[in-house]
Amino acid sequence: GDSVTQMEGPVTLSEEAFLTINCTYTATGYPSLFWYVQYPGEGLQLLLKATKADDKGSNKGFEATYRKETTSFHLEKGSVQVSDSAVYFCALKYSSASKIIFGSGTRLSIRP
Amino acid sequence: GAGVSQSPRYKVAKRGQDVALRCDPISGHVSLFWYQQALGQGPEFLTYFQNEAQLDKSGLPSDRFFAERPEGSVSTLKIQRTQQEDSAVYLCASSLPLRLAKNEQFFGPGTRLTVL
Repeated sequence: GDSVTQMEGPVTLSEEAFLTINCTYTATGYPSLFWYVQYPGEGLQLLLKATKADDKGSNKGFEATYRKETTSFHLEKGSVQVSDSAVYFCALKYSSASKIIFGSGTRLSIRP
Repeated sequence: GAGVSQSPRYKVAKRGQDVALRCDPISGHVSLFWYQQALGQGPEFLTYFQNEAQLDKSGLPSDRFFAERPEGSVSTLKIQRTQQEDSAVYLCASSLPLRLAKNEQFFGPGTRLTVL
């Protein structure tokens, strides 16, 4: 079945470091891909999305490119801030389906 | 401009008790979803409503889990005879109709259920 695999955390970086969180997926069709973020004490928020191959989603300095050839959707940011500390979830969804399929999450901690 | 709200935010139950978790979706959102998020894991789909109709309940883990949305707005997730393995955060999400939603679901803060 369809699934999402993302790198295990926690990931700890210093402020202004470069961030990559790896995500790969297994899909029988052509889903949309997402990154969600969960800040401490808050609900899941959509960070960015891409709906087809080679699309790049971006928001708040974060980027991810839908790579069909490598079935990947890695999250990147050039210079992280303390406020980026959160849990990040990679996910996929088909337009016709009701459910979102999530990875297990990656906890990111940024040191001042 | 309220988002999705859930209550209670925290619930502690003794094993065997019944619990009811409430979700208030964003006004005008006809689609409503429940997810279960175990500690250290990603959310897993439980069930989906369009208005008052429960169109997909494939993710409900057992017949102890029951969800309803009688008037097509507020939804309640009920768990009967709770077990320790039911301990998790229960997330509610809402969206426009699937054909209009562009795959985006808006999540509430969740209810953390602890079964002792």
